This record gives sequence, structure tokens and C-alpha cells, in this order.
Amino acid sequence: AQSVAQPEDQVNVAEGNPLTVKCTYSVSGNPYLFWYVQYPNRGLQFLLKYITGDNLVKGSYGFEAEFNKSQTSFHLKKPSALVSDSALYFCAVFLSNTGNQFYFGTGTSLTVIP
Amino acid sequence: DTEVTQTPKHLVMGMTNKKSLKCEQHMGHRAMYWYKQKAKKPPELMFVYSYEKLSINESVPSRFSPECPNSSLLNLHLHALQPEDSALYLCASSPDRDYQPQHFGDGTRLSIL
Repeated sequence: AQSVAQPEDQVNVAEGNPLTVKCTYSVSGNPYLFWYVQYPNRGLQFLLKYITGDNLVKGSYGFEAEFNKSQTSFHLKKPSALVSDSALYFCAVFLSNTGNQFYFGTGTSLTVIP
Repeated sequence: DTEVTQTPKHLVMGMTNKKSLKCEQHMGHRAMYWYKQKAKKPPELMFVYSYEKLSINESVPSRFSPECPNSSLLNLHLHALQPEDSALYLCASSPDRDYQPQHFGDGTRLSIL
């Protein structure tokens, strides 16, 4: 089945340390991959996307993600975590061969410890 | 500030009530979506409207009835809901039904008594 997976339900990182939130995908053809963030009592906010081109994608709030075709991964990274980065992060894939829909991963809750 | 506005922010209703959720966007987007989200879970797609026509209904019970009066507005009419329908209901829009990112509202938190 075509999907994205987020292997970690929870990630804790100390403020100022680099953070990584993992995402792997399983799709046929070229994947369209996205990261969204959800702060408490808010909707999802778009962070960044990979459609084609450079494997390193830069997005909002200092986040970036690296598309790795051989490892079928699209991990979200930030060089220095802030307490305000604490939120729920969703990886998503757009599939055009199943009705032009987004499919979301299960989500990773990130806690940045002061 | 989100560009997709949802009202009300909170709604408590009994199982016999009829209520409606409203979503509005003025970005000229032609695709609009309703999602249901349980706590700490990913959003689940319910309905998709494209150019004001319903294009996807993900086997949602008939107690949920969507309506798209015009290209800026999306409603979700609720009737005879069950306690398991308590959730955050998110509206989203995108320029078209393609791989452009969706813009989400902050949702309506619905509680069914």
C-alpha cells in the first residue's frame, strides 16, 4: 500500500540541540512529500514540500528536510531547537493515482526541553 | 492568523440537535476539504469539493451533510450525531485539487453529549 510512516510517536530534544523528525514513504512513481506542524488548539500549518529538484528543501521557521530516494525517507530537521517548536508534526504524501489526495502519517509529538 | 476561517470554534450539542459548521476562505481557492481529527491523530478526509462540486465523499455517515454555497464558503450540516463524532473538524482549501499545499483553518471542536 502507498503511504508515509512516522516511526516515532514522541521525540524529546533539549533546547539549542539539533532536532530530527523521521518520515519514510512507500509510493510508486515520484513522491510529492510534505511536512505540516500543528500547535495546540490550531489547525495544520504547511512547513515545506518536496516535488522535484534539489534534495534539500528549506521551509518555514528554520526547518529543512532532505529527500533521500535510496532510503525512501524525508526527515525533517532543524539545527537548533526552540521551546516554541514543541508541537505535533505530520508528514504527508500526495497521491495522484488514488483520487488526488493527501495521506498523512500518524504524527510525531515533539517536545523541546528548556 | 489563518486565512481559512472556521466558526464556531467550539460547539456542544445533544444527539438530537441540528447544527452547522461554517468555513470561509477568500484566497480564490477552488478546492475545499472537510477533515475529522481525533486527539493526537492525523486528520481523516471526509469530503472534497472541487469548483463547488462534491468530488469525494469518504464513506461518511449521512448524519454529516456538506454544502458548498459558493467558491468561498463550505458548510457541514450535523444531525443526530453520536458521541464518537466528538472531534476537531478541520476545513482546508487549496488552489486546485493537485499537489499544492492545503491551507487549514483552526477547526471547530465538537462535543456530543
